[in-house]
Amino acid sequence: SAVISQKPSRDICQRGTSLTIQCQVDSQVTMMFWYRQQPGQSLTLIATANQGSEATYESGFVIDKFPISRPNLTFSTLTVSNMSPEDSSIYLCSALSQRGAAYGYTFGSGTRLTVV
Amino acid sequence: DAKTTQPPSMDCAEGRAANLPCNHSTISGNEYVYWYRQIHSQGPQYIIHGLKNNETNEMASLIITEDRKSSTLILPHATLRDTAVYYCIVRVDGYKLSFGAGTTVTVRA
Repeated sequence: SAVISQKPSRDICQRGTSLTIQCQVDSQVTMMFWYRQQPGQSLTLIATANQGSEATYESGFVIDKFPISRPNLTFSTLTVSNMSPEDSSIYLCSALSQRGAAYGYTFGSGTRLTVV
Repeated sequence: DAKTTQPPSMDCAEGRAANLPCNHSTISGNEYVYWYRQIHSQGPQYIIHGLKNNETNEMASLIITEDRKSSTLILPHATLRDTAVYYCIVRVDGYKLSFGAGTTVTVRA
């Protein structure tokens, strides 16, 4: 399965600013996803990053707040915009190596974001 | 909405088998059941998956009931390093993973 490098691993940011998180996969993957994990909670899917087109967002998440890019098959970014303390979470990138494969999901180690 | 139900927590003695149940009564006929675990401050790690038959790998065994409405993950000889949150997951909308709350497993010496 693919190996994911995600950075930064953690950051402390001022409210009102934006942070861009990068996700690099070591091989071409079919699909890439972004998740949020709030403190003490499970993972919630933010969006599916589509190569060369706009991301597909889940209910409760909007492009203005979480713009996503995926310029090629191995790289994606998630920006958390106009941050507030409520955005303090772990953000995780995930990749699916083969559409339809039962085991092809890999996760990055996450970005721990603290907004002060 | 999560499509799986798991107990919130479970304790296990080191060296003993840990049996983690999961209910997925709305799973469709061609959807796999996945198990991942998340050790503190790390990304989820793949454990095992299955469709209908029981499966075993170097980490665990997966027992799926005949009606496919529930499954059990078995860690045969739990170690302290198996302390983690274990997620039973099914796919939704074709390719998206739906995470439930998971089971926090604590292995005690």
